[in-house]
Amino acid sequence: DTAVSQTPKYLVTQMGNDKSIKCEQNLGHDTMYWYKQDSKKFLKIMFSYNNKELIINETVPNRFSPKSPDKAHLNLHINSLELGDSAVYFCASSPATSGHEQFFGPGTRLTVL
Amino acid sequence: QKEVEQNSGPLSVPEGAIASLNCTYSDRGSQSFFWYRQYSGKSPELIMSIYSNGDKEDGRFTAQLNKASQYVSLLIRDSQPSDSATYLCAVNSNYQLIWGAGTKLIIKP
Repeated sequence: DTAVSQTPKYLVTQMGNDKSIKCEQNLGHDTMYWYKQDSKKFLKIMFSYNNKELIINETVPNRFSPKSPDKAHLNLHINSLELGDSAVYFCASSPATSGHEQFFGPGTRLTVL
Repeated sequence: QKEVEQNSGPLSVPEGAIASLNCTYSDRGSQSFFWYRQYSGKSPELIMSIYSNGDKEDGRFTAQLNKASQYVSLLIRDSQPSDSATYLCAVNSNYQLIWGAGTKLIIKP
C-alpha cells in the first residue's frame, strides 16, 4: 500500500501554462506539506496544512496556491509557470504539526520549457 | 533564522568502514532530530529519529545527540555500497522541520 502518493510523477510544460499536482496520504495523518527541491538538492518548505487549515506559508510567489479538500489530500496549483519553477516537488505528511517525523511521496519532477 | 548545517561532501568511505555524518543546529529549543537518506532521483526516507541526549542504535545505524553542543551525528557501521546516498539532517523548530543541505556519502568497494 502506498502511504503518500503524488500525481503526476513527471510534468513537462511550457512557460505561462497553469498546472496542478495532487497528493494523497492513507496514513491517517493530520498534517501535510509541500516542499520544493531544486537542482542543488536543498529541500525548501512551501506550505503546511493541519486538518485542512493552512499553518505554514513560506515566502512563495502567489502563483502557487495549495488546496486541501480534506486532511488526506493536499493539492498544489501553479499559475503562469516560469523557468525557475523547474524542480522536484515533494508532498509529505506527519501525524501532527510539531516534533514528528515526516513521510514523503515519490515526488513530481516539473520541467518548464 | 533557524539553521541546520551539514558538510556537503562528498564524503568518501571504504566499504566496511564506519561513516560519520555530522550536523549542527541553531535553535536551542529543538527537541526532535531526524536523519533521512535520499538516493538520487528518489524521495527522502526516514532512517533514524532521536529525541534525548546520548546514543540511539538501530542495526548498523547509530544516532548521537548532544543538545548542549547543538550537535547531532549519524554513524553507519560496516558501510556498504548501497549506503551511498545523500543524508539529510532535519531538526524540529516552530511547527516545522528545518533541513540541512545534506551530505553526499560515497562508499567505495
